[in-house]
Formats: sequence, structure tokens, C-alpha cells
Amino acid sequence: DVKVTQSSRYLVKRTGEKVFLECVQDMDHENMFWYRQDPGLGLRLIYFSYDVKMKEKGDIPEGYSVSREKKERFSLILESASTNQTSMYLCASSLPGTGPNEQYFGPGTRLTVT
Amino acid sequence: AQSVTQLDSQVPVFEEAPVELRCNYSSSVSVYLFWYVQYPNQGLQLLLKYLSGSTLVESINGFEAEFNKSQTSFHLRKPSVHISDTAEYFCAVRNNNAGNMLTFGGGTRLMVKP
Repeated sequence: DVKVTQSSRYLVKRTGEKVFLECVQDMDHENMFWYRQDPGLGLRLIYFSYDVKMKEKGDIPEGYSVSREKKERFSLILESASTNQTSMYLCASSLPGTGPNEQYFGPGTRLTVT
Repeated sequence: AQSVTQLDSQVPVFEEAPVELRCNYSSSVSVYLFWYVQYPNQGLQLLLKYLSGSTLVESINGFEAEFNKSQTSFHLRKPSVHISDTAEYFCAVRNNNAGNMLTFGGGTRLMVKP
């Protein structure tokens, strides 16, 4: 059974803190993604990675960075958390290539920045 | 650039009634189309997808969606809903030249009432 796990379901941080969100997949997928989900806006892509140490900016990368040191793990970093980064964060993974490969999602991390 | 519009943010419906969740997209190239479902406190799961061929695609739990190229739509329908269908539904598009990145609509919350 395919699985994408995220390190925390709920997280509360203070403004200015450095925040790490971790995602691990066990499907040997090359592609991994970080989205944020906000009411009425759907999912917006923050960053994605198509291989170890490779990354590309998505639609809303400002205020975020990522790290992919191992194929199965993709980390999202908020260098200095702000209240407007309060959101649900979803990680996903997929096979590579230009085919219509399904993305598999983790359960999400609900981050609150106070 | 491509975009996805889900015209209804919330759809309340009584159990056993039919439902249609609307999705329109814009893209200058041919696309793959997806519907994902998010049950409460869970990540997203693929419900169905259109790749090519027959314009009507079906899921295992009774949902179907029809790709209409002239109207650039991919509406989701079910002839008789159950309480367990209560969830948020996301339409997504991927142009088949864009690697594996998806563009999501804003989501439609389906609320099935007894």
C-alpha cells in the first residue's frame, strides 16, 4: 500500500521561529511536492523536487525553502514563520516523466503561527 | 498559464439526490484532468482522471465525469449521493507538456444531509 507520511498533524509556532515540515514516501518516487491549502484557494504549489538535491519553485515559493537529501524525504522550511503562513500543508509524491502519473498525498500538517 | 475554476464553493444536497460539481479550465494545450477527494482530516485521494479516449470516466464509488473540450469543462456527477460522500472535491489539470505539476481549483465542499 502506497504511503506518504508527514511528521506532524498539528503544529503551533511563534512568529519568527524556524519551522521544519518533514515528508517521507515509501514508493521510491522521484517527484515530490509541497502544497499549501487555504479555503477557497484550493492547493497551491510551493516547491517541487524531481530528484535528490534538485528543486524547482512553484507558484508561491516566497518565504519557504526546501531540502531533499534523500530520495524518500522532502523537507519544507519556513526560515522565519509569519502569521500569513498559517495554513494546511500537504506533501505529495509521484513517478517521474510526462505521463499522467497520479500524485499521492500525505494527511497534511495544520500549521498555526501565532 | 492554465487555470481551474470550480464554480461552487459549497454544495448542500439531501441523501439519495443527484449532484453535479462543476469544473472549468483554461489551457492553450491539451490536458489531463483529475478529480481528487478529501475526506475530513485526511489528505487528497484520486477519484478519477481523464487522459484520452472516451470522454466519460467513472470511479469505483459511482461518480463519473465528462470531458467536454468545446466547453473546457470536466464536471463531476453522481446520480444518488450518500452521507459518506460528504467531503471536499478538487478538480485539477495538468498539461501534458508540463512534467507532473498540477493546477488545482479552489475546491467544492459537498455536504450531504440526511
